[in-house]
Amino acid sequence: GAGVSQSPSNKVTEKGKDVELRCDPISGHTALYWYRQSLGQGLEFLIYFQGNSAPDKSGLPSDRFSAERTGGSVSTLTIQRTQQEDSAVYLCASSLEYRVTEAFFGQGTRLTVV
Amino acid sequence: GQQLNQSPQSMFIQEGEDVSMNCTSSSIFNTWLWYKQDPGEGPVLLIALYKAGELTSNGRLTAQFGITRKDSFLNISASIPSDVGIYFCAGRRYGGSQGNLIFGKGTKLSVKP
Repeated sequence: GAGVSQSPSNKVTEKGKDVELRCDPISGHTALYWYRQSLGQGLEFLIYFQGNSAPDKSGLPSDRFSAERTGGSVSTLTIQRTQQEDSAVYLCASSLEYRVTEAFFGQGTRLTVV
Repeated sequence: GQQLNQSPQSMFIQEGEDVSMNCTSSSIFNTWLWYKQDPGEGPVLLIALYKAGELTSNGRLTAQFGITRKDSFLNISASIPSDVGIYFCAGRRYGGSQGNLIFGKGTKLSVKP
């Protein structure tokens, strides 16, 4: 597609369940980023993939959060044993190599943990 | 995690008025960015600044990278109804991760026609 695509757009899950959020980056973009936006807050960095390099996981808030990027394209963010404080909009972005300042964001997945 | 201090939190202005918002940080940044986010959408980049003192315009928008490298401002001239949205500043620290942008909490702009 022309832009960054995220699915689902909305997800409601019960506390304790696992969820998977998907991101399809712009074709040809080697860098992929995940951010989290809580209500009324700015974006919070989670994880960054660049090509075949080891991802920068320094923003993941706990070991319940993990992400992978298969084949250098699609990425999945997994949250295990969800908690209510995980409720937020999860935004994915992609860019050309090392060009975070030129990244394009998707529309996000709104996660609600009840 | 660390966030930038962005002000004001919200603005409610008359159409045609000029708008100014700013961000400050306790750390030195090598890049400052300004984004606009509409409801249900991801942020869209408005202006990117890469050098201290740099002043850049994009139509009615003007932004500057502060000389101290710890602040930036965004001005919008002659506001129109479609300027409504949330504006975020973001920056990258010296020595920070390539992918880690630090964001402010946003300035919500409302415009009265």
